[in-house]
Amino acid sequence: DTGVSQDPRHKITKRGQNVTFRCDPISEHNRLYWYRQTLGQGPEFLTYFQNEAQLEKSRLLSDRFSAERPKGSFSTLEIQRTEQGDSAMYLCASSLIRGRQETQYFGPGTRLLVL
Amino acid sequence: AQTVTQSQPEMSVQEAETVTLSCTYDTSESDYYLFWYKQPPSRQMILVIRQEAYKQQNATENRFSVNFQKAAKSFSLKISDSQLGDAAMYFCAYRGGGATNKLIFGTGTLLAVQP
Repeated sequence: DTGVSQDPRHKITKRGQNVTFRCDPISEHNRLYWYRQTLGQGPEFLTYFQNEAQLEKSRLLSDRFSAERPKGSFSTLEIQRTEQGDSAMYLCASSLIRGRQETQYFGPGTRLLVL
Repeated sequence: AQTVTQSQPEMSVQEAETVTLSCTYDTSESDYYLFWYKQPPSRQMILVIRQEAYKQQNATENRFSVNFQKAAKSFSLKISDSQLGDAAMYFCAYRGGGATNKLIFGTGTLLAVQP
């Protein structure tokens, strides 16, 4: 399978702990996006990378959140000092930008539960 | 700011029949893209269909077609010959044509297919 993969698929943590999620995009996709989806809602944009450069961050991305994409391949999303409100599904998507054409392909997500 | 509204939280259709899911959006941009994504239970989101705003012709993909009314800012999805595998949450999404590439999602419509 050459789709977007995310690890872990599920994570349970205690409030105050740090967690890190990984996303492996489709090979050769130059853009990578992170979204957060809470129950009953559509995904909300967090941040995105073009190659290794982080080009946009949402106001939803507090100082406790940091994302990296070293070497323009996989990406990590770290949440420090987790809070119960961080409980959500974290989705990664990748795309290959070709002129005006861009379609984002999503991974299966990492479901985070903060106790 | 752009917004996407899906006014039908849940819909139901009999197998082999046709169903239409509604989506409206608000934007001041003239160049943008619209998408329908399908999210089956506990599975990853997949693209169903996309529409470029500059194209007058409605997009079709096999049993899926859209009714794009640019002046009314409406983008409905029609599913013909519904199948049990069509049961899922459907999200309408908007992407601007400018520098921002993030997707803005509606709250989704949960489609049930009755045998």
